[in-house]
Amino acid sequence: DGGITQSPKYLFRKEGQNVTLSCEQNLNHDAMYWYRQDPGQGLRLIYYSQIVNDFQKGDIAEGYSVSREKKESFPLTVTSAQKNPTAFYLCASSLQGGMMNTEAFFGQGTRLTVV
Amino acid sequence: AQRVTQPEKLLSVFKGAPVELKCNYSYSGSPELFWYVQYSRQRLQLLLRHISRESIKGFTADLNKGETSFHLKKPFAQEEDSAMYYCAPGGQGAQKLVFGQGTRLTINP
Repeated sequence: DGGITQSPKYLFRKEGQNVTLSCEQNLNHDAMYWYRQDPGQGLRLIYYSQIVNDFQKGDIAEGYSVSREKKESFPLTVTSAQKNPTAFYLCASSLQGGMMNTEAFFGQGTRLTVV
Repeated sequence: AQRVTQPEKLLSVFKGAPVELKCNYSYSGSPELFWYVQYSRQRLQLLLRHISRESIKGFTADLNKGETSFHLKKPFAQEEDSAMYYCAPGGQGAQKLVFGQGTRLTINP
């Protein structure tokens, strides 16, 4: 069953703790993305990776970190430096990076709540 | 750099009425535009892309390079069209996938 999978669906974190959100795809896509979705603010790009072992900051990268050691995996770490981490996080992948004329596929999202 | 603006955060129309969701873009190259949709409790998914010139679920979108717009239209709205809609610019040279702020469309019975 091909697709893109995010886990967990819900995540609770105490203030001051780092937490890692998982994103895995078996679509053989080169490009992967992380977004944050807040009410009234649409989708904001956190980080993206056009190819394995390479990634770039998006529009709101502060307080986040990523890695792309494998083509199929693009985990996002929300660090304690992120001032307002409670949000819905979406991961996406597309066949090619640097040539955005192909469809992007999205995971089901992870809702992170800081308690 | 590519940028897109969706001026309406909320749009409400009655069932059977025409609907138009606005999208204006800024892009230095030859643009390709996409509309994505997120229905309640479903994943964000592609609705249509301008290059294919197709009608999906009764929706169409025409790229107007003169007005730099890619408005999404449907002549007769249905209740199942209620969703969040995002416009996204792309094309060769676009390094990343960015979205507009989104428009929440509500179809009233």
